[in-house]
Amino acid sequence: RKEVEQDPGPFNVPEGATVAFNCTYSNSASQSFFWYRQDCRKEPKLLMSVYSSGNEDGRFTAQLNRASQYISLLIRDSKLSDSATYLCVVSLGGGADGLTFGKGTHLIIQP
Amino acid sequence: DVKVTQSSRYLVKRTGEKVFLECVQDMDHENMFWYRQDPGLGLRLIYFSYDVKMKEKGDIPEGYSVSREKKERFSLILESASTNQTSMYLCASTPGGGGSRLFTDTQYFGPGTRLTVL
Repeated sequence: RKEVEQDPGPFNVPEGATVAFNCTYSNSASQSFFWYRQDCRKEPKLLMSVYSSGNEDGRFTAQLNRASQYISLLIRDSKLSDSATYLCVVSLGGGADGLTFGKGTHLIIQP
Repeated sequence: DVKVTQSSRYLVKRTGEKVFLECVQDMDHENMFWYRQDPGLGLRLIYFSYDVKMKEKGDIPEGYSVSREKKERFSLILESASTNQTSMYLCASTPGGGGSRLFTDTQYFGPGTRLTVL
């Protein structure tokens, strides 16, 4: 059974703060991991892939912990424009039926 | 830049009507997908296709069918719309493994169709 769990939030964070949230997955055979961002009433868009060694893209850092089966997303110096829902996506590899989306974490950056 | 378009942003239909949702991508992607997104349930895969005329059921195919006659177009069909099919429908595409149903790349989503069935 494929399960991907996220805290739905909302996370209310002041502008300029650092915020982090996790996503846990149940299937240890999962191979690929992603964070997508979805703005209100818009489609999801890839934010970043998550590599085993961790990866950073500007203010965003993603990490994978295979032993504990979770991935994390850290946002530094948060901006008002970071307000969105962040979807965790986990893939078993292979076809689309191995792809599972989390329900998302809602982030609100407050001025 | 990849572009995925959907035929309508908003659609209102009556119970029992046959509904067609169209999706077109312009990047020659092999794989195309239909999801629905509902509050508290997240994105759920309805059907996907990894090649022309090929289709596979996702997690919630009941009440839906699909058609892929051309590589760039993937249609979702509600044979007899019901109120529980009121939802946001998202189409996505991704380059794939040459028709082998394998993929690891980014999914590119269309803007979504918000369907209301009365």
